[in-house]
Amino acid sequence: EVQLVQSGAEVKKPGESLKISCKGSGYSFPSYWIAWVRQMPGKGLEWMGIIYPGDSDTKYSPSFQGQVTISADKSISTAYLQWSSLKASDTAMYYCVRLSYSGYFDYWGQGTLVTVSS
Amino acid sequence: EIVLTQSPGTLSLSPGERATLSCRASQSVSSNYLAWYQQKPGQAPRLLIYGASSRATGIPDRFSGSGSGTDFTLTISRLEPEDFALYYCQQYGSSPRTFGGGTKVEIK
Repeated sequence: EVQLVQSGAEVKKPGESLKISCKGSGYSFPSYWIAWVRQMPGKGLEWMGIIYPGDSDTKYSPSFQGQVTISADKSISTAYLQWSSLKASDTAMYYCVRLSYSGYFDYWGQGTLVTVSS
Repeated sequence: EIVLTQSPGTLSLSPGERATLSCRASQSVSSNYLAWYQQKPGQAPRLLIYGASSRATGIPDRFSGSGSGTDFTLTISRLEPEDFALYYCQQYGSSPRTFGGGTKVEIK
């Protein structure tokens, strides 16, 4: 069974750094792109970027380029999303998602809630 | 960037009724790479339709997708109580892979 299990909820202060994770199982992790999707409170879905764990090729949405870093460690089947300096506006639910070979989002993680507040 | 516009924003219907959700793209979606997702409160989205009209594994046949180019439709033939939720379309034919703003299907 394909599963993406994300790290737990985080509460941080503005200016702090953060790295959240997404561990895949039940399939060949290096062979499928992983995406990160943001959902701000009460709002819709936003595609942040994708990574191919096999060679760490990464593509960012223009809206998120330079704001976050996406990485992966294929040896432990884990993808990451990190911030170097959080802002209150980063408060959101973040989902990791597996991309099918055609590119649609076929399996979703359970989400990681990030709250940034002073 | 392809902008997806979903309409209506909210659809108020009764169980057993037919729901028709629209997704319009600002430019043609490559290879009809258009997907639909359902999201219930407190849950992650789940894939319903891909390739504009192919149902994902385990999705009931009351859900159907149609359309091509710039105009796409998700139809729920007879609403079940568990179908009242948010629905998003997404194009995955070009980067960035954009989502529509969503349509909420609520109980009338």
